Amino acid sequence: TQLLEQSPQFLSIQEGENLTVYCNSSSVFSSLQWYRQEPGEGPVLLVTVVTGGEVKKLKRLTFQFGDARKDSSLHITAAQPGDTGLYLCAGQMTGAQKLVFGQGTRLTINP
Amino acid sequence: NAGVMQNPRHLVRRRGQEARLRCSPMKGHSHVYWYRQLPEEGLKFMVYLQKENIIDESGMPKERFSAEFPKEGPSILRIQQVVRGDSAAYFCASSPERNTIYFGEGSWLTVV
Repeated sequence: TQLLEQSPQFLSIQEGENLTVYCNSSSVFSSLQWYRQEPGEGPVLLVTVVTGGEVKKLKRLTFQFGDARKDSSLHITAAQPGDTGLYLCAGQMTGAQKLVFGQGTRLTINP
Repeated sequence: NAGVMQNPRHLVRRRGQEARLRCSPMKGHSHVYWYRQLPEEGLKFMVYLQKENIIDESGMPKERFSAEFPKEGPSILRIQQVVRGDSAAYFCASSPERNTIYFGEGSWLTVV
């Protein structure tokens, strides 16, 4: 059973389009982090959200933490080929230090 | 990824040999984590350590795998008598107290 469900698992769109990736759970998390991973490399932290309802922007990327702290979304505006990669959400449950990862969304932006 | 140093980056072992993966956390970080990633899959938690203590090893296989984080020196993930199914990317991460976790570049183990 996957504690964090990411959707879609694969997404291929054209340059300039918008997209949203979802990360859902039935569990409450004290914090949630989004990472991006390139082939042959480690995950690189994009953002950490800790407050229910929190919204953070990173250039064309917008991250939102659900009000109940059970879900999160990543929205990319005007996607570019450089956005191609594996996007991972990961959460810390209350009282636990370790991160639980979703299975990832493999995003391909076609020129 | 800057700061969490893993070595070797790539390691090839024959079945039955031992694999040792090393991780130096970011400066000032006292919490170390090991994760494993199989091809086309997400990261799976293995173990969480603080200096000289194993805090959570709920993701570690019961046999052949061990981890340590000594008072001096890097954290070590040790896999004895490797099998083909151990082939994977092993990622170390570190954090200061309770906060954001940063990952290293990974160690790719291939068992032949």
